[in-house]
Amino acid sequence: ETGVTQTPRHLVMGMTNKKSLKCEQHLGHNAMYWYKQSAKKPLELMFVYNFKEQTENNSVPSRFSPECPNSSHLFLHLHTLQPEDSALYLCASSQVGSAKGGYTFGSGTRLTVV
Amino acid sequence: DAKTTQPPSMDCAEGRAANLPCNHSTISGNEYVYWYRQIHSQGPQYIIHGLKNNETNEMASLIITEDRKSSTLILPHATLRDTAVYYCIVRYRDNYGQNFVFGPGTRLSVLP
Repeated sequence: ETGVTQTPRHLVMGMTNKKSLKCEQHLGHNAMYWYKQSAKKPLELMFVYNFKEQTENNSVPSRFSPECPNSSHLFLHLHTLQPEDSALYLCASSQVGSAKGGYTFGSGTRLTVV
Repeated sequence: DAKTTQPPSMDCAEGRAANLPCNHSTISGNEYVYWYRQIHSQGPQYIIHGLKNNETNEMASLIITEDRKSSTLILPHATLRDTAVYYCIVRYRDNYGQNFVFGPGTRLSVLP
């Protein structure tokens, strides 16, 4: 596999459920990111991991809990979500210090909270 | 990150060139201009980036004005599959900890 892979592609969960989103990058990058995109809104940066260390948390509610066990994997653990958390969740990776400097995005997980 | 301004929407006839403008009047000397696009409900896709020289790749051309306060992304022969939201972002190329911030972008509709 190449690029950034996100699973599952679609997820429907109740407000009392616990679920996890998974992201895996096969590019050898050293940074990974979670973005949220609600309907008709720009992408919002949620979390940043550089070299497996969380370096940014943009005031995200604690019901979202990221985990980065190694530089290739990133998880977003979800619990007691609200209907307004329904959105497209995108993972991205990059190589800090590279000549290109851009991000590679996954296809996203479409989350619906009922 | 410098703020960018893009028109909210544009139309283009299939087969014609699509020219998408972006204003970034407060760009600093070391900031690059990046372009991404997002086809409906997919992750954003990198298109091209540049500092001050014009750039071309297999997807598009990037024209940056001499004062670097604006740029234009050119899709030379637009197809229906180019219908997407196009984002112009300026940031330092590899500054540790500086992240991509996406604005609303330009919604390009390629019409048959």
